[in-house]
Amino acid sequence: QIQLVQSGPELKKPGESVKISCKASGYTFTDYAMHWVKQAPGKGLKWMGWINTYTGKPTYADDFKGRFVFSLEASASTANLQISNLKNEDTATYFCARILWAKRGFDYWGQGVMVTVSS
Amino acid sequence: EIVLTQSPTTMAASPGEKVTITCRASSSVSYMHWYQQKPGASPKPWIYDTSKLASGVPNRFSGSGSGTSYSLTISSMETEDTATYYCQQWSSNSFTFGSGTKLEIK
Repeated sequence: QIQLVQSGPELKKPGESVKISCKASGYTFTDYAMHWVKQAPGKGLKWMGWINTYTGKPTYADDFKGRFVFSLEASASTANLQISNLKNEDTATYFCARILWAKRGFDYWGQGVMVTVSS
Repeated sequence: EIVLTQSPTTMAASPGEKVTITCRASSSVSYMHWYQQKPGASPKPWIYDTSKLASGVPNRFSGSGSGTSYSLTISSMETEDTATYYCQQWSSNSFTFGSGTKLEIK
């Protein structure tokens, strides 16, 4: 069955970096783009951008340019999100979600990774 | 960037009641997706391409709309429909989400 399994929760200090992963299974990884979505505690969903799993090209939403990096380990069917120079406002749950084309929407989501930034 | 405004922000409905959630876009969009999210869980695809139900979604749900106004309707509210619903659109190589509608049972 199709699954997106994300790595475990993270507790970090301001200024540190974090890398979270999203391992896909049950389908051909490169057939679907992978998107990232942020959800701060008690807040709504915010689209962060996406990575083309075939070419590896990332695209970032305006609010996520600079400290955020999307990458792939295509041989392991894994997409990664790295956040550097963490700030308190990065405290959130981060979801990966796959998509075939925009008109179909996100059809599978990871379980989410809670990242807590606290001194 | 297209902004999506959902209304109401929060609502409560009685079992059996008809529910309508609205999503208005700041500019015309071609289609709308909807997701259901329950506390502590990841969002689930619910309605895509404006009116198509995702797999497993009860047929008491429906979606409609065009241009700048879209809606999700529940014909008869059930307890299990308690959740937050988000609309989403794709335009100019960018996705945006609505701020969500929290639906509770009376």
